[in-house]
Amino acid sequence: DAGVIQSPRHEVTEMGQEVTLRCKPISGHNSLFWYRQTMMRGLELLIYFNNNVPIDDSGMPEDRFSAKMPNASFSTLKIQPSEPRDSAVYFCASSFGLAGGPRETQYFGPGTRLLVL
Amino acid sequence: DQQVKQNSPSLSVQEGRISILNCDYTNSMFDYFLWYKKYPAEGPTFLISISSIKDKNEDGRFTVFLNKSAKHLSLHIVPSQPGDSAVYFCAARIPSSNTGKLIFGQGTTLQVKP
Repeated sequence: DAGVIQSPRHEVTEMGQEVTLRCKPISGHNSLFWYRQTMMRGLELLIYFNNNVPIDDSGMPEDRFSAKMPNASFSTLKIQPSEPRDSAVYFCASSFGLAGGPRETQYFGPGTRLLVL
Repeated sequence: DQQVKQNSPSLSVQEGRISILNCDYTNSMFDYFLWYKKYPAEGPTFLISISSIKDKNEDGRFTVFLNKSAKHLSLHIVPSQPGDSAVYFCAARIPSSNTGKLIFGQGTTLQVKP
């Protein structure tokens, strides 16, 4: 299995531009999570889906952020318009099940490093 | 407000010695705790976990200890190896909705010197 796939791996953009991050979860997993990593706050959960349905988006920082999961094998996280403070590493993770317990380990992708100038 | 805190940003130990990484939490309702390990340019990978009904879980060189009264958990690596050099995140699960929502700490960078 290829694991969780994220693209692009690196993104440099200018303030005000739209940014779209993409994620392909592990085949067969039915839960997908978007995280943001910063030095100050570590890994923050932004939003997660179960069976393609958003369950909790309370971690999404502002209306500038949106996420979709049109099917079981693809999700996007969009920032529009982007700001310098959005610069961070964004991770996508997937799991089978939603409980987060011993049988529902979350598997992370390699991340997208975003720099907004 | 950080519900899971790793107060030491970095730790350096000599190869063969013990590494102890610490994590404190504030929510007494957390029922499951995990440690993830992250190498540069890679995503975090699951390392070891512990249920709140236990106080110790061991897996090879890795042992996690949980002190519920102190709301503190620690990860012990014995003996430490240079390949253990990575960022370690502790995480805790919110059980109320059984939805797998994990709260992560800021991470501790471990350097094991040969």
